[in-house]
Amino acid sequence: EAQVTQNPRYLITVTGKKLTVTCSQNMNHEYMSWYRQDPGLGLRQIYYSMNVEVTDKGDVPEGYKVSRKEKRNFPLILESPSPNQTSLYFCASSLSPGYPNTQYFGPGTRLTVL
Amino acid sequence: AQKITQTQPGMFVQEKEAVTLDCTYDTSDPSYGLFWYKQPSSGEMIFLIYQGSYDQQNATEGRYSLNFQKARKSANLVISASQLGDSAMYFCAMRETFGNEKLTFGTGTRLTIIP
Repeated sequence: EAQVTQNPRYLITVTGKKLTVTCSQNMNHEYMSWYRQDPGLGLRQIYYSMNVEVTDKGDVPEGYKVSRKEKRNFPLILESPSPNQTSLYFCASSLSPGYPNTQYFGPGTRLTVL
Repeated sequence: AQKITQTQPGMFVQEKEAVTLDCTYDTSDPSYGLFWYKQPSSGEMIFLIYQGSYDQQNATEGRYSLNFQKARKSANLVISASQLGDSAMYFCAMRETFGNEKLTFGTGTRLTIIP
């Protein structure tokens, strides 16, 4: 089954404790992206990757890191989480830049930072 | 900068009626894509329908159709014969065609279907 998976689905942690949220897709997609969703703000892009070893900042990259060593994986790293990073996080992927290029989303990771 | 506006924070609709969710957008790019996603209470983002800026006809996918009015910069989602399972948050989004494939989202509309 074609899908985007994220782990963990739920995470409660404390300020300053490094964490990684994994994202994996089995569709051989080139493009991958991370979004965060906050009430009243919709979804905002954190980082994106056009292909292996090619990553760039989105609209709200502060406090996050990413890497793209393999095509299928795009982990999101919070080196020193803070309470303002409490949010619902989505990973998304699409085949390649261009038309129509629908982005498919993972199930989401609900993160709480105390 | 791109912007998506959804002016209806919440809507209540009787089951089996049709419903229109509003979306207006603003962009200076001549080429762009418009999407609608559904987010049920379980939280996942489900792709519903896509419209390209150069598409001549309005997109349709089963009970979903997109009323695309390019001159007015609107991309309203129409759901025909609503069902209880349609109760969810609905997001309109726009994508740049070149460069970052970022989706810019609106703030969403919460649709509640009444039995």
